[in-house]
Amino acid sequence: DAGVIQSPRHEVTEMGQEVTLRCKLISGHNSLFWYRQTMMRGLELLIYFNNNVPIDDSGMPEDRFSAKMPNASFSTLKIQPSEPRDSAVYFCAREGGRDTQYFGPGTRLTVL
Amino acid sequence: DAKTTQPPSMDCAEGRAANLPCNHSTISGNEYVYWYRQIHSQGPQYIIHGLKNNETNEMASLIITEDRKSSTLILPHATLRDTAVYYCIVRVALWVMNRDDKIIFGKGTRLHILP
Repeated sequence: DAGVIQSPRHEVTEMGQEVTLRCKLISGHNSLFWYRQTMMRGLELLIYFNNNVPIDDSGMPEDRFSAKMPNASFSTLKIQPSEPRDSAVYFCAREGGRDTQYFGPGTRLTVL
Repeated sequence: DAKTTQPPSMDCAEGRAANLPCNHSTISGNEYVYWYRQIHSQGPQYIIHGLKNNETNEMASLIITEDRKSSTLILPHATLRDTAVYYCIVRVALWVMNRDDKIIFGKGTRLHILP
């Protein structure tokens, strides 16, 4: 158990709709990471937080994507408006002991 | 671009040792070598990491060459449940990361365990 809960597990929406992906950590951690995985581009780091502060958001595709971490146990990734090319599996990961990362089960997003 | 090079796929007989190579010729002195694997439809799973010494845990062993330009992940007795994509990553420690430090997973090696 990675101690990372992602919701929803599957999301199907139509182009132009707002999508919010959620990540809950069983216990608070200093660092949290959002990744996106597609067949074409593989696993990409979108953004990561340290002590609830975004450190590097250079992987965020464009202004349509935004992420927040209001406390040490919760984060959201929002896409507004969504587009078909945003279809992917989105993973949230937390920092573990000994400088490791533990990944959640992912949210599979389909934008029609 | 990924800092590592891995073969796209490998086969290994069940019960035998699986040796997965990784080249990282441009690794910096403060970068660690990490290995993760991803079983179908699951999130990546941490396996092992090291800086320059060989490491062993309950899952695998990591052999890093003396010049640190390559490494090998060893699964001592592969089982069918070890079928996965294995990623080799080099990066600095999380607590020193800044905007210039990237975590790049690359394409990984798809390991097939044959019964």
